Amino acid sequence: LAKTTQPISMDSYEGQEVNITCSHNNIATNDYITWYQQFPSQGPRFIIQGYKTKVTNEVASLFIPADRKSSTLSLPRVSLSDTAVYYCLVGAPGGFKTIFGAGTRLFVKA
Amino acid sequence: GAGVSQSPSNKVTEKGKDVELRCDPISGHTALYWYRQRLGQGLEFLIYFQGNSAPDKSGLPSDRFSAERTGESVSTLTIQRTQQEDSAVYLCASSLALSTDTQYFGPGTRLTVL
Repeated sequence: LAKTTQPISMDSYEGQEVNITCSHNNIATNDYITWYQQFPSQGPRFIIQGYKTKVTNEVASLFIPADRKSSTLSLPRVSLSDTAVYYCLVGAPGGFKTIFGAGTRLFVKA
Repeated sequence: GAGVSQSPSNKVTEKGKDVELRCDPISGHTALYWYRQRLGQGLEFLIYFQGNSAPDKSGLPSDRFSAERTGESVSTLTIQRTQQEDSAVYLCASSLALSTDTQYFGPGTRLTVL
């Protein structure tokens, strides 16, 4: 299983772009990278998933370099409501033991 | 459509009692997952089901924990002889298929063992 490493916490201000990087040095060829968001007292919510290069949706962008040993979740112009814990997951098709890790606690200030 | 539901939302029990936590996944989702989250901590994977089968039970913390799934639908997580360290939020998720498919989480069951 590919282990992931993320910063424990980050602070930002409203309107700024936030980039959270996740390291996954032993990612396997058929592993995908998925990010989830969790608000207090709620279950995690899917944000974005990618395999390589760049993926963008209405919420975020995911940048994956060619070696795929890391990935960066980019949140454009954050607001107070983006304060949450963000988890990076790495996994492959066929069944795996999902490892969420401790995540990155993002705190957005006014 | 209906999301993942869990019941009860809160459960307070006395040490030594057995508890059953229920998860109703999204209809048609073949994969189902259970996680435990202690206060202020990340998610701890417990077990997953592919259909009604749980291929790997090694994530269960002890033999007091068991889980089953029937009809490729409802799943029950049972904790026998509860201990105070079992206090946590127990989250269930389902996905259309294993692995890369998005996991949809329920609201969780907050278990407090006195």
